[in-house]
Amino acid sequence: EPEVTQTPSHQVTQMGQEVILRCVPISNHLYFYWYRQILGQKVEFLVSFYNNEISEKSEIFDDQFSVERPDGSNFTLKIRSTKLEDSAMYFCASNRDSGYNEQFFGPGTRLTVL
Amino acid sequence: GQNIDQPTEMTATEGAIVQINCTYQTSGFNGLFWYQQHAGEAPTFLSYNVLDGLEEKGRFSSFLSRSKGYSYLLLKELQMKDSASYLCAVREGAGANNLFFGTGTRLTVIP
Repeated sequence: EPEVTQTPSHQVTQMGQEVILRCVPISNHLYFYWYRQILGQKVEFLVSFYNNEISEKSEIFDDQFSVERPDGSNFTLKIRSTKLEDSAMYFCASNRDSGYNEQFFGPGTRLTVL
Repeated sequence: GQNIDQPTEMTATEGAIVQINCTYQTSGFNGLFWYQQHAGEAPTFLSYNVLDGLEEKGRFSSFLSRSKGYSYLLLKELQMKDSASYLCAVREGAGANNLFFGTGTRLTVIP
């Protein structure tokens, strides 16, 4: 069964450093998303991406964040100048089209900022 | 904006039935979703409602009342593996696909 994959599973970085989280959505999916979940808190929407551009973003997704689809399979989230409060689980998700309701989540990348 | 409310924790007995409630306030409602999340894992899709009524899917059913801003997830014949967090999420706006999640209900199934 196709699945969303994410790498790395765990990333540790120093405050102020840049990190890139990588995702490979399901191959025939067209809509891609990043969510984050701070430990013990709710899943929060960051950004959605369609047709090689951002379609929506939340207030959390400020200039520190960027997304890219550098090739036909990868979807990345870059966090510049990481802060302690960026420590969280970051989930990538995808779905096939706007009329298809189930979003498939990847296993997540646990980001720890020291 | 969104305001999604669900109980923090629930406990139920193996083999029993449990109902997890969710209330929401949102503009431009475009669907309500239930996800299951085991500790340290990704959310997995359980159900979707956009019209009023009950959707049944095996041991899981989900109900929606749009006028009341209310949904519930019903789990029957509880199994130990059903111990997990259950996340209520709403989608807003025509064409929008991003989900806004509640804080989740941690369900513990006991023997």
